[in-house]
Amino acid sequence: DSGVTQTPKHLITATGQRVTLRCSPRSGDLSVYWYQQSLDQGLQFLIQYYNGEERAKGNILERFSAQQFPDLHSELNLSSLELGDSALYFCASSVGDSAIYEQYFGPGTRLTVT
Amino acid sequence: GEDVEQSLFLSVREGDSSVINCTYTDSSSTYLYWYKQEPGAGLQLLTYIFSNMDMKQDQRLTVLLNKKDKHLSLRIADTQTGDSAIYFCPWNTGFQKLVFGTGTRLLVSP
Repeated sequence: DSGVTQTPKHLITATGQRVTLRCSPRSGDLSVYWYQQSLDQGLQFLIQYYNGEERAKGNILERFSAQQFPDLHSELNLSSLELGDSALYFCASSVGDSAIYEQYFGPGTRLTVT
Repeated sequence: GEDVEQSLFLSVREGDSSVINCTYTDSSSTYLYWYKQEPGAGLQLLTYIFSNMDMKQDQRLTVLLNKKDKHLSLRIADTQTGDSAIYFCPWNTGFQKLVFGTGTRLLVSP
């Protein structure tokens, strides 16, 4: 158990819909990272927050957004969903704002868009 | 651009050694990592190596780094069925993000 929690575990929704994925980092960790894992693209970094502020952006679509709240939990919002958005979404947390710190991964949310 | 290349699949028999390889397009990372993803789970840091090192040994794991060739390898001695997983070798770029590849799926058969 990494100490990072993600909800829900599974999500099935239709194209065009909007969903929110939630992540609670390990106690004491200030950074939250979001990743998307699909079979053809591998694991792709989406976005990082540190202590409530956006720190780095990766291959995140404009239809996707995220935020980190004062209690340090984070939410990833996916809108206008397409079939290609079906993937595993991971959240990871680390103590610092640099990627040199070990990242602790949650169990993931499996999103299926039908 | 930023990229990590790994072979997609490796199959070994229990007790044999496994060698998983990675090649980078950029060698500026301060640290290089190996993460393991077991079936149905998130990733877990297995080991890491500083970029100024050539080799690191950690029990059954040996990491070799050839900075000139931008090549990193992970050797698992006496591979067990519990080692079956996907192995990733991300590198950190600009200190703000890790670049992962597709991972190498290791299958260990009894």
